[in-house]
Parts: sequence; C-alpha cells; structure tokens
Amino acid sequence: AQSVTQLGSHVSVSEGALVLLRCNYSSSVPPYLFWYVQYPNQGLQLLLKYTTGATLVKGINGFEAEFKKSETSFHLTKPSAHMSDAAEYFCAVSVPFGNEKLTFGTGTRLTIIP
Amino acid sequence: NAGVTQTPKFRVLKTGQSMTLLCAQDMNHEYMYWYRQDPGMGLRLIHYSVGEGTTAKGEVPDGYNVSRLKKQNFLLGLESAAPSQTSVYFCASSASGRAVVYNEQFFGPGTRLTVL
Repeated sequence: AQSVTQLGSHVSVSEGALVLLRCNYSSSVPPYLFWYVQYPNQGLQLLLKYTTGATLVKGINGFEAEFKKSETSFHLTKPSAHMSDAAEYFCAVSVPFGNEKLTFGTGTRLTIIP
Repeated sequence: NAGVTQTPKFRVLKTGQSMTLLCAQDMNHEYMYWYRQDPGMGLRLIHYSVGEGTTAKGEVPDGYNVSRLKKQNFLLGLESAAPSQTSVYFCASSASGRAVVYNEQFFGPGTRLTVL
C-alpha cells in the first residue's frame, strides 16, 4: 500500500520569501504524485501532478515540484510567496491502474506573513 | 457547467438519526469518490465507484453506505449517525483511467456534518 508523509502541519513564510512544503512518499511501484490546494471553506483543487516523464513539474499559481526517486520525495516550492497563497496544501499518491484512488497526506497549512 | 455539486452544505444530526448526502457531477465522469476530512488526518476515502451500478469500499467504510444508480449521482448514506461521523465530507469525480495515464479528480465544495 502507498502512503504519504507531509513534514510540518503548519508553515509560515514572509510575503516574497521562498515557499517549501515537504512531501515524502512510500510506494511499492512507481507512483503518481500530486499536490492539491484547499482554500478556506472550499473543495480541493489540483495544483500539479507527476505521472511520467520530466521530474520537474510546473503547476498553477507559480508552484512547482520535483520528483526525486532516490529521496522518495515530491516537495512543493514557489520562489516568492504571495498573500493569496495562504491555504492548506495536500500531497497525495496513487498507483497506475489503481482506479485513480488517492492516498492523501495530513496536510500543511501555509500562513503568509505580511 | 457546474462541475461537482454537493447537497446539503451543512447539516446537524442527533445520534441515531439517518441522512443521505447527494453528490452530482455534470462532466460525464465514470469514477466517483466520497472522502471525509478530519483535522490532522487529511482526506480519507470512504467509498468509491468506477461506474454506474458499482460501488467499492475505501479506507474507512464502516457506518456508511453508498449507491450509484445513475452515472451522474453518487449518494452517501448514514443509517445511524454517531458523533465520530462529525466531519467534512467531500465528493470527487474523475474520467475513466483507461485511455490516459491519469485523470484529475475534481472535488465538490464539501458538506459539513455535525452529529450531536
């Protein structure tokens, strides 16, 4: 079975600073990896995904993530934080031909300090 | 195109009462899912469906039942609500995974359920 660990349930960064949200996964087969964002009182929205091919993937709102197989990691980054980035972020994993079932991490709440 | 909608948005139940949460999608998606979200636990899969007339158990199915009588609708039922079922419930849908590498799951806005 696959699993995801998100390090840090709360992260605070200053506006304009680098955002780094950490995600490590466990999977017995090559996984598919995702980052979702949840704004207050809303559902989840896909930020970006890695399935195959290029290991550096770019998503919406200036976010990107790099799949590192040797480190079993898929960390999310953004060079310069904006106030509108304040939200909860979830890393998720699924496996090919697994009916697209997602296993989510416990989430990281990102706070932006003005 | 409304995407994924959920009814109701909020509900308060007393222990032992029953209710049904409705999820509807207008994207002609084959797959549909029900999750619950609890603080510090992320989202956990309750039940899912890979097509009309099919359902399967997820990670935390106990105390819930589901039905997928129509392709566009996925119902989640609580026969006898318990305080442990206080949570935010999300429905999601995705297209069939057979033709492409992966199809994104689209989420509804959620239903906040409190069981007293």
